[in-house]
Amino acid sequence: DADVTQTPRNRITKTGKRIMLECSQTKGHDRMYWYRQDPGLGLRLIYYSFDVKDINKGEISDGYSVSRQAQAKFSLSLESAIPNQTALYFCATSDPTGGEAFFGQGTRLTVV
Amino acid sequence: QKEVEQNSGPLSVPEGAIASLNCTYSDRVSQSFFWYRQYSGKSPELIMSIYSNGDKEDGRFTAQLNKASQYVSLLIRDSQPSDSATYLCAVNSLSSGTYKYIFGTGTRLKVLA
Repeated sequence: DADVTQTPRNRITKTGKRIMLECSQTKGHDRMYWYRQDPGLGLRLIYYSFDVKDINKGEISDGYSVSRQAQAKFSLSLESAIPNQTALYFCATSDPTGGEAFFGQGTRLTVV
Repeated sequence: QKEVEQNSGPLSVPEGAIASLNCTYSDRVSQSFFWYRQYSGKSPELIMSIYSNGDKEDGRFTAQLNKASQYVSLLIRDSQPSDSATYLCAVNSLSSGTYKYIFGTGTRLKVLA
């Protein structure tokens, strides 16, 4: 089983719908991140959490919200999806020492 | 200026050649540096990490770090077609009092058989 698991892997949704992307990890890491990736723009940070009670906005948080339900679970919500939120979304974890980030398999989201 | 800059490529090299990928970063207090490989539609996977000035070698891969010049590079020796992918440079950078990963936009590498 993967250390960082994202569900769903693919999703097509309509404009205006609420959608939640889920992430769970077995690494035991406190730090979790949500990124989106668009062609030519690299990975951009949406939200990050350093523990259950510590949630922070990244560079592109508008239109998104998150919930850290437990150390192992970090979900991303689009309250009212719009087409320009069509992207590949990645969840990642890391330890607090500044070591490598571990990524989930990604969720390909299409908003029509 | 972007915090982490990479040439988007594509960088094309013949099979067996050395591929040289470069990355510059703007935050002088950055502590940790990483190279990830990403195949199309897949998640990034760590190739190399480097924390101090100099070279670090792992198999066909060598990472080079120069903090004075704020420059980190990745050399791939004996390039193979399977190395064709996008290579992301990442910096663990201090921003607003906490460390976060900042990624470059990636360099697309094509190894020609």
